Amino acid sequence: AQSVAQPEDQVNVAEGNPLTVKCTYSVSGNPYLFWYVQYPNRGLQFLLKYITGDNLVKGSYGFEAEFNKSQTSFHLKKPSALVSDSALYFCAVRVPSWGNTPLVFGKGTRLSVIA
Amino acid sequence: GAVVSQHPSWVICKSGTSVKIECRSLDFQATTMFWYRQFPKQSLMLMATSNEGSKATYEQGVEKDKFLINHASLTLSTLTVTSAHPEDSSFYICSARAGSGRADTQYFGPGTRLTVL
Repeated sequence: AQSVAQPEDQVNVAEGNPLTVKCTYSVSGNPYLFWYVQYPNRGLQFLLKYITGDNLVKGSYGFEAEFNKSQTSFHLKKPSALVSDSALYFCAVRVPSWGNTPLVFGKGTRLSVIA
Repeated sequence: GAVVSQHPSWVICKSGTSVKIECRSLDFQATTMFWYRQFPKQSLMLMATSNEGSKATYEQGVEKDKFLINHASLTLSTLTVTSAHPEDSSFYICSARAGSGRADTQYFGPGTRLTVL
């Protein structure tokens, strides 16, 4: 069975500083990994995904994530945080099979960027 | 980018009534739609997966007779909460995926907040 772990419930960072939101996964085979962001009382917005190829994936709003197979991690990063980045971030994985398999989500990490 | 809409964005109803939530993919055809439920400060819990023209597949513990899902077309899925009770109050989010490829991205609607009095 596949699973996703986001070890931090909350991450606080000062505006302008780099941010990292951690994610590790457990799947059989090659994972397809995703990051989504959720603002209050809103649905999830897609940020980026890793399927294959370059381990460093660039996404929306200046975010990027690095796939590390040996550490089974897919940490989300941004070089310089903005106050508007404050939101709930979800890492998700999909099993490597065809068909209608859904995303499996981590529990989420709340990012707070302080001015 | 792909846009998924939900209607209504919020609804308040009396206990015992039924509520229908619509999910539409606006600029793509969604062969598969998913319905999630989210409790405060928690992650998304998958309720069911539906394919256009066929019956939905419900996750363990989700009552199919209570949460009726219809995926009538490639752009519309509906979730009906029947005989709603206060414990059904939650944030319901739909998601749509185009195609069936492994790399296909799921796009999410803005969510519907249901409050049952």
